[in-house]
Amino acid sequence: GENVEQHPSTLSVQEGDSAVIKCTYSDSASNYFPWYKQELGKGPQLIIDIRSNVGEKKDQRIAVTLNKTAKHFSLHITETQPEDSAVYFCAAGRGGGGADGLTFGKGTHLIIQP
Amino acid sequence: NAGVTQTPKFRILKIGQSMTLQCTQDMNHNYMYWYRQDPGMGLKLIYYSVGAGITDKGEVPNGYNVSRSTTEDFPLRLELAAPSQTSVYFCASSFGQFEAFFGQGTRLTVV
Repeated sequence: GENVEQHPSTLSVQEGDSAVIKCTYSDSASNYFPWYKQELGKGPQLIIDIRSNVGEKKDQRIAVTLNKTAKHFSLHITETQPEDSAVYFCAAGRGGGGADGLTFGKGTHLIIQP
Repeated sequence: NAGVTQTPKFRILKIGQSMTLQCTQDMNHNYMYWYRQDPGMGLKLIYYSVGAGITDKGEVPNGYNVSRSTTEDFPLRLELAAPSQTSVYFCASSFGQFEAFFGQGTRLTVV
């Protein structure tokens, strides 16, 4: 089955700096890569996703890049703000093919220092 | 539009007791999922459903059962609760296999 590795487990950055979280996956059949943000006591919230026919996608301060050859994808947050503090999860799945859900990384606790 | 609603939010069970975690969605999504989240371990898929009347096992199905009699509802049943089932449970739904929306979770403790 799919295996997703996520690094780092904790990331502390100064407010206004950029943050980068990296993930690798093992199943070459995976073609859908979402990122979720989870605040304390809440469910995961989809913040951005990318499909395998695209190398990069951007939405305001958030961007995701995908390298299918190397089987890795990354989340980039620029101009970080206090409200960006949360746990971020990457995931991989076979959207449009198998219906067997997503495989998640173990999460990155992002801390924005004032 | 409430999205994905889970009840209860918290529950304490004694070993061997049974309970049903409720999940309902009002987005007319065909796919629904149950995940469990353990500290520092991400989310693991328990069961999923691609439509009413169709369910299948995920990565960690042992000790759980599901049913999908309607598009809206996807309850998760624990028959004989064990301490290893202490976790936070999340229900999710999607239209197709993209853009899954999650509920707020049920925090279950088995003592």
